[in-house]
Amino acid sequence: EAEVAQSPRYKITEKSQAVAFWCDPISGHATLYWYRQILGQGPELLVQFQDESVVDDSQLPKDRFSAERLKGVDSTLKIQPAELGDSAMYLCASSLVGSATDTQYFGPGTRLTVL
Amino acid sequence: TQLLEQSPQFLSIQEGENLTVYCNSSSVFSSLQWYRQEPGEGPVLLVTVVTGGEVKKLKRLTFQFGDARKDSSLHITAAQPGDTGLYLCAARTGNQFYFGTGTSLTVIP
Repeated sequence: EAEVAQSPRYKITEKSQAVAFWCDPISGHATLYWYRQILGQGPELLVQFQDESVVDDSQLPKDRFSAERLKGVDSTLKIQPAELGDSAMYLCASSLVGSATDTQYFGPGTRLTVL
Repeated sequence: TQLLEQSPQFLSIQEGENLTVYCNSSSVFSSLQWYRQEPGEGPVLLVTVVTGGEVKKLKRLTFQFGDARKDSSLHITAAQPGDTGLYLCAARTGNQFYFGTGTSLTVIP
């Protein structure tokens, strides 16, 4: 069964350092999402791609966060510099077309700890 | 202020009990989804409801979309330890996709 792959699974870094997360969506899925989730809360959408284009990044802190999906397949989310408040789970999801009724398939996430 | 408010935030019950989780908003949605998330994993879609007043059943889980399409409920009958997890409602408005605040359910054997 096809799955969304994410790496690394865990990342510990010091504040002011740069970190990067990678996501490989399910083959053929045009839409890719990056979410941030604080423990026990619902995920918060950071950025949504349709193929290689950004559809929504209104909640992405653009002074330190960046995301790209250059060839419309895999994607990278970067934080530079990391801050203590960035400690969270970062989830990637993909879906076929990105409609409201589309099923989003989530990866296992990257748990980031900023010291 | 969250677009989708869920209640209760935490719920701990004994195996075999029934429970209901609520998802409320002041916005109208064309559809709403429910996901379940287990510790250390990503959310998994349970159901999508699209019609006001719609009721969908998935084994012991019953989902209802409010008549005005602003709210939804999830009812679990005879809860089992395997039902333990974080339950999330979710919906799209415009270009943005939102998850609810989450309900953490623990079913004690």
